[in-house]
Amino acid sequence: GQSLEQPSEVTAVEGAIVQINCTYQTSGFYGLSWYQQHDGGAPTFLSYNALDGLEETGRFSSFLSRSDSYGYLLLQELQMKDSASYFCAVVHNFNKFYFGSGTKLNVKP
Amino acid sequence: DGGITQSPKYLFRKEGQNVTLSCEQNLNHDAMYWYRQDPGQGLRLIYYSQIVNDFQKGDIAEGYSVSREKKESFPLTVTSAQKNPTAFYLCASDPGRGRLGQETQYFGPGTRLLVL
Repeated sequence: GQSLEQPSEVTAVEGAIVQINCTYQTSGFYGLSWYQQHDGGAPTFLSYNALDGLEETGRFSSFLSRSDSYGYLLLQELQMKDSASYFCAVVHNFNKFYFGSGTKLNVKP
Repeated sequence: DGGITQSPKYLFRKEGQNVTLSCEQNLNHDAMYWYRQDPGQGLRLIYYSQIVNDFQKGDIAEGYSVSREKKESFPLTVTSAQKNPTAFYLCASDPGRGRLGQETQYFGPGTRLLVL
């Protein structure tokens, strides 16, 4: 089966850096994606890692270690608009996606 | 503008009734997906389709049915056999297996289904 673990909630202050971890157990692993979802909205794609290492996209970075079945999303220079839920998702060999339960990020002034 | 549309935004179902949720995309994507999201939870895969006239069950397919007669359309029917259908339903698409950008899913705005 597939399982993904991520913290349920994280709180940080505006301007700070926050890291959201994701550990996974899966067969047929192809890559790890991250999505952002604001309350009542649809998920939007943030980042994707197929290989070990760090991928940087503006204020957001994502890291993957395939040997440790672990990844994280790093958000820098936090803004109030970053308050949302963040989901890690395993990309399966056959192009299926398995999502974690999500981490609710609360950014405080 | 290219994108995915879902309708209706809100849908009410009576006991014993089948209802159909619409999903249309004009991104020319081969693959389409249906997810269910319960409050405070992640997304669970109901059905997915990699190509026209073909689809596979996801993790929670019981009580649901789909069709894929056209590339741009992937409607989901919630049947009366689904005893707890109240949830947020999300449709998604991506270019398809082996295609550039296959790892990125694009989501529609969702349909909120409520049982009367």
